[in-house]
Amino acid sequence: DTAVSQTPKYLVTQMGNDKSIKCEQNLGHDTMYWYKQDSKKFLKIMFSYNNKELIINETVPNRFSPKSPDKAHLNLHINSLELGDSAVYFCASRDINTGELFFGEGSRLTVL
Amino acid sequence: SQQGEEDPQALSIQEGENATMNCSYKTSINNLQWYRQNSGRGLVHLILIRSNEREKHSGRLRVTLDTSKKSSSLLITASRAADTASYFCATTVVGYSTLTFGKGTMLLVSP
Repeated sequence: DTAVSQTPKYLVTQMGNDKSIKCEQNLGHDTMYWYKQDSKKFLKIMFSYNNKELIINETVPNRFSPKSPDKAHLNLHINSLELGDSAVYFCASRDINTGELFFGEGSRLTVL
Repeated sequence: SQQGEEDPQALSIQEGENATMNCSYKTSINNLQWYRQNSGRGLVHLILIRSNEREKHSGRLRVTLDTSKKSSSLLITASRAADTASYFCATTVVGYSTLTFGKGTMLLVSP
């Protein structure tokens, strides 16, 4: 069973469009994250949610809106996509006992 | 700003050799973790070392932590082609639970 699953794995879209990425974890963790990995592989945290509540918003443009309907799901909606949004987006959840993060396989977004 | 910096950025070795990657960070930490990322995949946790620990082993992995120098190293012994991946250090800063990642070291192990 996949612990953290993201869909879709690939998105190719035009500038100005809106897109969503979904994430689900079956590990029972309370805390979930969205990270953005750029072309140089630098991983930057975007959002952190704990039990459906937003904890961290790291100066991400408000075109990015996360939503957590329950603690097992953390979705990311992006409005008015820009070229610079092209990246791989990773969802992760955290084991509070060990501090270890469990990552999804990533969603590669390409904005043309 | 970015907390961890890995060194070297890229490392190329032969199978059977040891690979050493270093990580430096800026502020006091609760713990430091190492992750591996295979091409096109998500990150996988390798090992965690707490701020009061100096060395930890897991299979062919050995991690050291020097809090006075704010640095850590990851040693992979007897490397295999399957160890080819990017390796990231990540730190949890005192007072926060968020993991901040470095830019990674790309390791290539040739058969």
